[in-house]
Amino acid sequence: NAGVTQTPKFQVLKTGQSMTLQCAQDMNHEYMSWYRQDPGMGLRLIHYSVGAGITDQGEVPNGYNVSRSTTEDFPLRLLSAAPSQTSVYFCASSYPATGELFFGEGSRLTVL
Amino acid sequence: KNQVEQSPQSLIILEGKNCTLQCNYTVSPFSNLRWYKQDTGRGPVSLTIMTFSENTKSNGRYTATLDADTKQSSLHITASQLSDSASYICVVRSGGGNKLTFGTGTQLKVEL
Repeated sequence: NAGVTQTPKFQVLKTGQSMTLQCAQDMNHEYMSWYRQDPGMGLRLIHYSVGAGITDQGEVPNGYNVSRSTTEDFPLRLLSAAPSQTSVYFCASSYPATGELFFGEGSRLTVL
Repeated sequence: KNQVEQSPQSLIILEGKNCTLQCNYTVSPFSNLRWYKQDTGRGPVSLTIMTFSENTKSNGRYTATLDADTKQSSLHITASQLSDSASYICVVRSGGGNKLTFGTGTQLKVEL
């Protein structure tokens, strides 16, 4: 049972480049979400989804895009990377939506 | 504004010693409180959940307490081990929705 799988684990981008962070879960969880973790700050919600075809914005959605075509996958797209997006990104899923969050291993992104 | 404050920010203890981590929150209405353990380079993992009616809950060497009147929770670690070295994050869920408020975590280091 793999749980929540994120790729890539590390990525370096130049300002203005775009990329997609992949997230997949094999627990059949309806709820999936993306967080960013920065030093000295708590995890902040970027986007979330309560089921296939349904997404919504979190606390810090600007500069990010998501889609949910299947229950298993929830990719996060950076449209035009900025240095302020340098962070560690975590994908998490849960069932029910108010239940325990299961996190991926994280993706460390550096934008130069 | 919902807030979760954790103390101390960091802590160093010797192996075998006990320690207590604190979490104060101003989230309202309160639904539940979770403690997560985050090992370096990994995603957070849930240790325990506290609901309004629960005062104490144990998970092995971890014991969480909740005082809903004073809006305080603590996580007590007994007979610490090197593997307890991690960041411990307090997360409070507000009632009536699916909003989570994350603390910034306590960084614990257990030394020989």
